[in-house]
Amino acid sequence: KAGVTQTPRYLIKTRGQQVTLSCSPISGHRSVSWYQQTPGQGLQFLFEYFSETQRNKGNFPGRFSGRQFSNSRSEMNVSTLELGDSALYLCASSPGQGVRGNTGELFFGEGSRLTVL
Amino acid sequence: DQQVKQNSPSLSVQEGRISILNCDYTNSMFDYFLWYKKYPAEGPTFLISISSIKDKNEDGRFTVFLNKSAKHLSLHIVPSQPGDSAVYFCAAPPGAGSYQLTFGKGTKLSVIP
Repeated sequence: KAGVTQTPRYLIKTRGQQVTLSCSPISGHRSVSWYQQTPGQGLQFLFEYFSETQRNKGNFPGRFSGRQFSNSRSEMNVSTLELGDSALYLCASSPGQGVRGNTGELFFGEGSRLTVL
Repeated sequence: DQQVKQNSPSLSVQEGRISILNCDYTNSMFDYFLWYKKYPAEGPTFLISISSIKDKNEDGRFTVFLNKSAKHLSLHIVPSQPGDSAVYFCAAPPGAGSYQLTFGKGTKLSVIP
């Protein structure tokens, strides 16, 4: 069974640009979550989608947006990039609704490493 | 406001000995906790979880203990192996029906052969 696939794995942008990151969940998983990992803040929740609906959004500015498609694939977009947006962006999928469904675990991809210059 | 805290950024343990990783939380509404392990250049992988109706959950070499009155949980690895060297995160969801996990900042475990 293929794991969570994130593209691109690495990218470099300059301040003011925008970026789109893509995530393909494990086949059959309908829930997709996004997290930002930085050395200073650790892993922080960005969004959670289930069946194309955003269920939760973390404490990030409106420059951060996302969506989920009917095939459960998800994208996140960051507009007007700032230096502080440099981070590892992790996507995670899961089959059920909430961590108490099934084993409760999230299945993470390897992440997209964004560097903003 | 850090609701989930891992106060030890790093821990070194001899192979074969016990590793104890600690996690404290402030939100009394948390009633389910998970531990994830992360190797460099990989995404986190789920390790073990515990519900607040239990005070212990065991899976092979890994045991998680929960002390609700102290708002403290710990992960014990016995015996520790070099392959356990990784960053360990504890995490908690705000409630049922959510994958919005609040993570601690992680503890880097180094198991020395």
